Amino acid sequence: DAKTTQPPSMDCAEGRAANLPCNHSTISGNEYVYWYRQIHSQGPQYIIHGLKNNETNEMASLIITEDRKSSTLILPHATLRDTAVYYCIVRAGSARQLTFGSGTQLTVLP
Amino acid sequence: NAGVMQNPRHLVRRRGQEARLRCSPMKGHSHVYWYRQLPEEGLKFMVYLQKENIIDESGMPKERFSAEFPKEGPSILRIQQVVRGDSAAYFCASSPDQNTEAFFGQGTRLTVV
Repeated sequence: DAKTTQPPSMDCAEGRAANLPCNHSTISGNEYVYWYRQIHSQGPQYIIHGLKNNETNEMASLIITEDRKSSTLILPHATLRDTAVYYCIVRAGSARQLTFGSGTQLTVLP
Repeated sequence: NAGVMQNPRHLVRRRGQEARLRCSPMKGHSHVYWYRQLPEEGLKFMVYLQKENIIDESGMPKERFSAEFPKEGPSILRIQQVVRGDSAAYFCASSPDQNTEAFFGQGTRLTVV
């Protein structure tokens, strides 16, 4: 699986959009971009994933650049409960596991 | 992620004892994954199982660790003769098939004293 690079930490004001970047310059054509988050040592929570088109669900939006070398997870209206470590993971469709990196610690400030 | 049930949530064992961690996947999920998170570290894949079969155990320590997912009942991660270095959070995830996103349980926190 391709390696990902994320900033170690970010702050966001409550109510504002949180934009979390991820670089995956070595991504292959069959690899998906997954986002999970882990709130204070709870079990990781699936957020969203995509291949090359932008995706949106009730939790977030995923914007993938045209060359697929980077992506951005957008939480449109961050709340205090969104404070967590966010993991960007690149995974082949046939892969059996998720490879977690260090992630981004997002802190939503009141 | 209440669908994936892990128990116990907390487990304390003395060095040399055995630890058994249980994972009941979400309804309809026949694929189970175990991950370990050491203190202040990221999650590391351990093993991937389908009903009655171990598909990938490339992340499992060579000794003392084993996993099973029987036809009936939960998946079990077993650690024999635990040592202090086994203290960690162990997470189970499940999915309906290999190509679908996996959902995690709340984990079992093992403390070896």
